[in-house]
Amino acid sequence: ILNVEQSPQSLHVQEGDSTNFTCSFPSSNFYALHWYRWETAKSPEALFVMTLNGDEKKKGRISATLNTKEGYSYLYIKGSQPEDSATYLCAFVSGSARQLTFGSGTQLTVLP
Amino acid sequence: GAVVSQHPSWVICKSGTSVKIECRSLDFQATTMFWYRQFPKQSLMLMATSNEGSKATYEQGVEKDKFLINHASLTLSTLTVTSAHPEDSSFYICSATSGLAGVNTGELFFGEGSRLTVL
Repeated sequence: ILNVEQSPQSLHVQEGDSTNFTCSFPSSNFYALHWYRWETAKSPEALFVMTLNGDEKKKGRISATLNTKEGYSYLYIKGSQPEDSATYLCAFVSGSARQLTFGSGTQLTVLP
Repeated sequence: GAVVSQHPSWVICKSGTSVKIECRSLDFQATTMFWYRQFPKQSLMLMATSNEGSKATYEQGVEKDKFLINHASLTLSTLTVTSAHPEDSSFYICSATSGLAGVNTGELFFGEGSRLTVL
């Protein structure tokens, strides 16, 4: 069983604050790391798919970094807005299984 | 982007009955669909991988006779929870990928999920 952990489990920030959270995954047999945003009553939506050590990807105010050697990825949100409130999931893909193993998510609430 | 529709969103049934959940890809052909289950405050757990025209591949510990998966067309996969019991109450969600959608990125396209409550 692959261990994918996300921290913190939940987070409350004020509108305008920047925030970040962590996804930890096995440092061996890496293939890809996915980030998804899951708003309440909606479908999870892909943010990033990262494959290379040292990768940094950006979409608007959201960015992510990847360290495959030490087995972690950070997701950053700059200037949080209430519409950023969602659960952010990461998912690890191993080179052998090629299936996604999900973390339990970080639930972000941005207070106006 | 690619759209996956799942229904019903909510279903309440009596113990012993069977419930069917549908997962449709609306604007692409989904060669592979995945079914996940999520218990409160836990991660999405893969139940099975469904390939169009062939038998589903079930994860260890998932009873294939209990959770029947049919992927008869490139746009529809169904999950039937047979003889449901209260312990089957959970959130079930499907996702899809295809030769066109997500082939280069590997990203999954999810349905909205179905919450099953068995009384």
